[in-house]
Amino acid sequence: KAGVTQTPRYLIKTRGQQVTLSCSPISGHRSVSWYQQTPGQGLQFLFEYFSETQRNKGNFPGRFSGRQFSNSRSEMNVSTLELGDSALYLCASSRQGMATNEKLFFGSGTQLSVL
Amino acid sequence: AQSVTQLGSHVSVSEGALVLLRCNYSSSVPPYLFWYVQYPNQGLQLLLKYTSAATLVKGINGFEAEFKKSETSFHLTKPSAHMSDAAEYFCAVSTPFGNEKLTFGTGTRLTIIP
Repeated sequence: KAGVTQTPRYLIKTRGQQVTLSCSPISGHRSVSWYQQTPGQGLQFLFEYFSETQRNKGNFPGRFSGRQFSNSRSEMNVSTLELGDSALYLCASSRQGMATNEKLFFGSGTQLSVL
Repeated sequence: AQSVTQLGSHVSVSEGALVLLRCNYSSSVPPYLFWYVQYPNQGLQLLLKYTSAATLVKGINGFEAEFKKSETSFHLTKPSAHMSDAAEYFCAVSTPFGNEKLTFGTGTRLTIIP
């Protein structure tokens, strides 16, 4: 069974640009959640999608957005990039999502560097 | 609101020694508690979870954690450290009611000294 796949693995962008990250969950998983990981901050929750609907949202500005497709694949978009957006972005999938005590399956992440 | 605090961003232990990683939580209702591990250049993997059954939870790779309500703690232990345990460990909390997100601590980097 294939794991959670995130593409691309690495990205380098400049300030002001926008970026789109992709996450393909494990087959049969309908929940995809996104996290930003930075040294010293741990994992900060961005949002969760379940069956194409945003079910939960963290405290990030509106420049951070996402969507989920009918095949459960999810994309995250960051517009008008800032230096502080440099981070490892992780996505995780599960069958029923974070409202349960289910195990989350994480991808290896996309390392975004903003110059 | 729920939260977790991990005491010690870096912990070093000798190979064969006891591993103790500390986690304290805050939650207004009985929580679900998790420990995840992140190896270099990888995503997170679940080590173990507490969901209101037995207070002593056994996980993978010889790790275990004990839920102590009176101390609001969920510390992770392993009797004998192995070189392969070197990684970053995250404690996380969620609640079984409503639509709470999973909240992670800031992580503890474990180094094993040969």
